[in-house]
Amino acid sequence: KNEVEQSPQNLTAQEGEFITINCSYSVGISALHWLQQHPGGGIVSLFMLSSGKKKHGRLIATINIQEKHSSLHITASHPRDSAVYICASLNYGGATNKLIFGTGTLLAVQP
Amino acid sequence: EPEVTQTPSHQVTQMGQEVILRCVPISNHLYFYWYRQILGQKVEFLVSFYNNEISEKSEIFDDQFSVERPDGSNFTLKIRSTKLEDSAMYFCASSLWTDNYGYTFGSGTRLTVV
Repeated sequence: KNEVEQSPQNLTAQEGEFITINCSYSVGISALHWLQQHPGGGIVSLFMLSSGKKKHGRLIATINIQEKHSSLHITASHPRDSAVYICASLNYGGATNKLIFGTGTLLAVQP
Repeated sequence: EPEVTQTPSHQVTQMGQEVILRCVPISNHLYFYWYRQILGQKVEFLVSFYNNEISEKSEIFDDQFSVERPDGSNFTLKIRSTKLEDSAMYFCASSLWTDNYGYTFGSGTRLTVV
C-alpha cells in the first residue's frame, strides 16, 4: 500500500519568498500530481509528473523517481498563493487510476 | 476550459435519509471517480467507474454506497441511509486516458448529516 507524506504541514512565508513543499511516497508509482485546494474546498490540478521537472508560471515541480520524492517550488510568492497544496500518487494501467493523497501543506503568504 | 460540474454545492440531510450527489463529468472523458474529504482530513478515494461498471472501490465504499451513470452524461453517488460520519466534502473527478491526461475535479458537494 502506498503511503504519501508531505512536509511541512504548515508553512508561513513573507511575500516574495521562495517556497518549497516536499512529498515522498513509499512504493513505485506511475506519476505524481500536485494539486491546490482553496478555502471553500475546490481542488485544482497543477501538475502531473512522471519524471524530471515541469514549470508553469512561478510554479516548478520536480520528481526523483529513484528516491521516491517530489518537490513543489513557488518563486516570488504572493498572498494569492495561500492555499493547501497536496501531492497525490498515481499508478495507472488497467481500469482504475485512483489517486492516493498526501495530507496537504497549508501555505499562508503574508504581505 | 471544460469543467466537471457537481450539484448541489451543499446538502443537509437527516441521519438515515438517502442522498444522491450528482456530477456531470467532462464529455469525452472515460474514467470517473468519487473522492471524499472529511473536515480536517486528507482526501480519500471512494470508487472509480469505467466502461459502465465499477473498476475499483475502497473499503469505505460499502453496501450503503452506489454509483450510476444513468444517461451517458450524469454520474451519481447515492448513499442509502446516511450516518453522521458520512458528513464530508464529496468530489467527483474524471479523466481521459489511463495516464490521467486531463484529470479534473469538480468543486465538490459539502454533505452535512444531522
